[in-house]
Amino acid sequence: NAGVTQTPKFQVLKTGQSMTLQCAQDMNHNSMYWYRQDPGMGLRLIYYSASEGTTDKGEVPNGYNVSRLNKREFSLRLESAAPSQTSVYFCASSIYLWTGNNQPQHFGDGTRLSIL
Amino acid sequence: EDKVVQSPLSLVVHEGDTVTLNCSYEVTNFRSLLWYKQEKKAPTFLFMLTSSGIEKKSGRLSSILDKKELFSILNITATQTGDSAVYLCVSGGGADGLTFGKGTHLIIQP
Repeated sequence: NAGVTQTPKFQVLKTGQSMTLQCAQDMNHNSMYWYRQDPGMGLRLIYYSASEGTTDKGEVPNGYNVSRLNKREFSLRLESAAPSQTSVYFCASSIYLWTGNNQPQHFGDGTRLSIL
Repeated sequence: EDKVVQSPLSLVVHEGDTVTLNCSYEVTNFRSLLWYKQEKKAPTFLFMLTSSGIEKKSGRLSSILDKKELFSILNITATQTGDSAVYLCVSGGGADGLTFGKGTHLIIQP
């Protein structure tokens, strides 16, 4: 009954370091997403993957890259971390893209990332 | 530009009170409106609304959509301290994906 699992839960980086946030879902969903959540702002879409083998930019993709490794896994990479990327990152998945077939997105517990 | 506006942004009430959270939207190719509850971690799904005037209920929570006036409300009756959370309103459009409101931070005092 895991749903969407994100690792790590917390991470502190220095400016310029790189890291990869991992996300896996066990619901056989086709679509996966990465969001960031900052104080006073709604969730903003970074990248998404409509289906295995495809990825697309969202609203705030600069400074990030993604890989849809297989149907279950979707990773987010920060190549050279900047303080502006300090945020809480959420991975989500849905059976179809967005709310297709009236099915909602399901979210992981988030990764709290601090860039010093 | 698509937008979702929630009000109030924060609300403090006493246990047992009834609260109404508001959400207005301006979204191209509107398809659905969703409500999520976010405590410390993952937003958890509450409701999806696609048709006007049809109330959805789950225990003490209910929600309704007005597609003519472009808004939705989330009602919580007989509030409990466990209802304390941020409630997110999300509008699902077409190819542009989802638009999130900033959330209403609800605090239930014992």
